[in-house]
This record gives sequence, structure tokens and C-alpha cells, in this order.
Amino acid sequence: GDSVTQMEGPVTLSEEAFLTINCTYTATGYPSLFWYVQYPGEGLQLLLKATKADDKGSNKGFEATYRKETTSFHLEKGSVQVSDSAVYFCALSQETSGSRLTFGEGTQLTVNP
Amino acid sequence: NAGVTQTPKFQVLKTGQSMTLQCAQDMNHNSMYWYRQDPGMGLRLIYYSASEGTTDKGEVPNGYNVSRLNKREFSLRLESAAPSQTSVYFCASSVVFGAYEQYFGPGTRLTVT
Repeated sequence: GDSVTQMEGPVTLSEEAFLTINCTYTATGYPSLFWYVQYPGEGLQLLLKATKADDKGSNKGFEATYRKETTSFHLEKGSVQVSDSAVYFCALSQETSGSRLTFGEGTQLTVNP
Repeated sequence: NAGVTQTPKFQVLKTGQSMTLQCAQDMNHNSMYWYRQDPGMGLRLIYYSASEGTTDKGEVPNGYNVSRLNKREFSLRLESAAPSQTSVYFCASSVVFGAYEQYFGPGTRLTVT
């Protein structure tokens, strides 16, 4: 079945550092890919998405590019802030599985001032 | 607009007790979902309701039942709680089934002793 693998956490960075969180997927078809973010004590929120190969999703300074050849959707941000501290989830969805979301394990990010 | 609300926020049960987790959304969404979140495992789908009057099993339905009470409300019931059901439970909704963005509630932290 479909699956998503994220880099192991936790990740700790200093403010203004560059962020990469790796995400790779296994799927039989052509899924849509997502990054969700969970701030402390809250539910998940959609951060960005890409629905086809080579699409780039972006929001709040975060970016991720759908790479079909490497089955990857790595999350990047050029300069992180303390307020970016959260858990980040990579996820996929495709019509052959009823468009249900399949999540990765989540990566805890802590940004220190 | 409250979005997706869940009650209770926290609950402690003894093995064998029963309880119902409540979820409501005020966004006029057709589809609703229940997930559980466990450390290192991301979110896993328990049950979903593609539209009012329908419910279907997700990835991990054993030990749970659901009721789509009306378009707004979707409850999750544990008939006989087990320690393996200790988890954080999230309810989510989307405009229609298969819509890419799901909106999540703040979660219910359940401990079964």
C-alpha cells in the first residue's frame, strides 16, 4: 500500500537557520502531496500542497517540490523563526485509495532564539 | 466560526469502560474523519463518513464504532476501552470526500489504565 517516510526527528535549529525536512513516498499511482503543521496543543493545519510532478507548493516562506523521479517532497525554509517550532507531517492522497490521507510519522522542529 | 470542535480535551478511563468522543464542525462540510495519533506512527485513519448517512472503516477500525448524527456531528465510541487505545484522537472534516484539504480539531488525549 501507499506509505510516507519522513526524516527522523527531533530537529533543533537556531533562529535564521536553513531548514530541510526530508519526505519520500511509495505509491502505485500519481498521488497529491501535502505538508501539514501541528503547533503545540492544536490540530493539524495544511501548510502547502502539490498535485502533480514538478509542482512547487509554497506558503509562509516554506516550499516543497514534487519530484516524481526521486519520489520525494522535501520541505525547506530559508530562515526559520522561533514561531516555526511545531511538528511537521508529510502526507499523500490519491484517488485509487478514495483520496484518504496517508501520513508520515511527523518531525518535531524546535527553533531556539 | 469555531471550525472543528472536539470534546472532551482529556479523558482517563479504566480498562473495560466505555466512552464517546464528540466532534462537530460548523463549516457545512460533507465529509468527516476520525484519526488516532501515536508517537512515531503519524496519524492513522480509524473511520470516516464521506457524506451524511454513510460511514466506512479506515486503517485501524477495530475496537471503535462511529455515528454520523447529522451533517455537523460525527462521534467515536469506545465500547470497552483497552490500554492499546491510549492515544490522541483527532476529528477532521473536508468540503467533500476526496477534497485535498482537511480541517482538524484540537484533539482529545485519552489514557486507558
